[in-house]
Amino acid sequence: NAGVTQTPKFQVLKTGQSMTLQCAQDMNHEYMSWYRQDPGMGLRLIHYSVGAGITDQGEVPNGYNVSRSTTEDFPLRLLSAAPSQTSVYFCASSYGGPTYGYTFGSGTRLTVV
Amino acid sequence: AQKVTQAQTEISVVEKEDVTLDCVYETRDTTYYLFWYKQPPSGELVFLIRRNSFDEQNEISGRYSWNFQKSTSSFNFTITASQVVDSAVYFCALSEVGYNFNKFYFGSGTKLNVKP
Repeated sequence: NAGVTQTPKFQVLKTGQSMTLQCAQDMNHEYMSWYRQDPGMGLRLIHYSVGAGITDQGEVPNGYNVSRSTTEDFPLRLLSAAPSQTSVYFCASSYGGPTYGYTFGSGTRLTVV
Repeated sequence: AQKVTQAQTEISVVEKEDVTLDCVYETRDTTYYLFWYKQPPSGELVFLIRRNSFDEQNEISGRYSWNFQKSTSSFNFTITASQVVDSAVYFCALSEVGYNFNKFYFGSGTKLNVKP
């Protein structure tokens, strides 16, 4: 049982490049979310999904796109990377929604130069 | 306004000392859930506890205990006889049942350093 799997673990991008952070879970969880973690700011919600085909914006959605074509996968796309997007990104999933708590992936450390 | 406030940015203690991490939250919902997560130096986020707003009983799990007080909107976390392995960043979080039911609010975290 893998839980929540994020790839890659580390990535360096040049300003203006695009890329997709992958997230997959094998627990049949309906709820999935993407967070970014920056020093002194805790984790901030980027986008979330309450089921396949349904996504919505969180606190800091600008510069990111998501889609949810299957229950298992919830990729995060950076359209045109900026240095301000240098951060650690966490994907999380939950069976019954945020009130049940989240299971987190191991994170992706992204550096934009 | 921040939904979850962890005023202690960093705490350093010597092994075997007791330490309390503070968490103050803000919500208008009568039903909500509070959480603590641990983030060790390896970076993953580990779930520690979930508590609903109707259960104000203190909880103890080994060396860990949690004190939930609705009157002061606080959900503090105490580690008794701290150990070096407790060194981590600890996050308090809030989930509301209501308009913001899809949101999960984290505090900014408290970094705990336990020195041998």
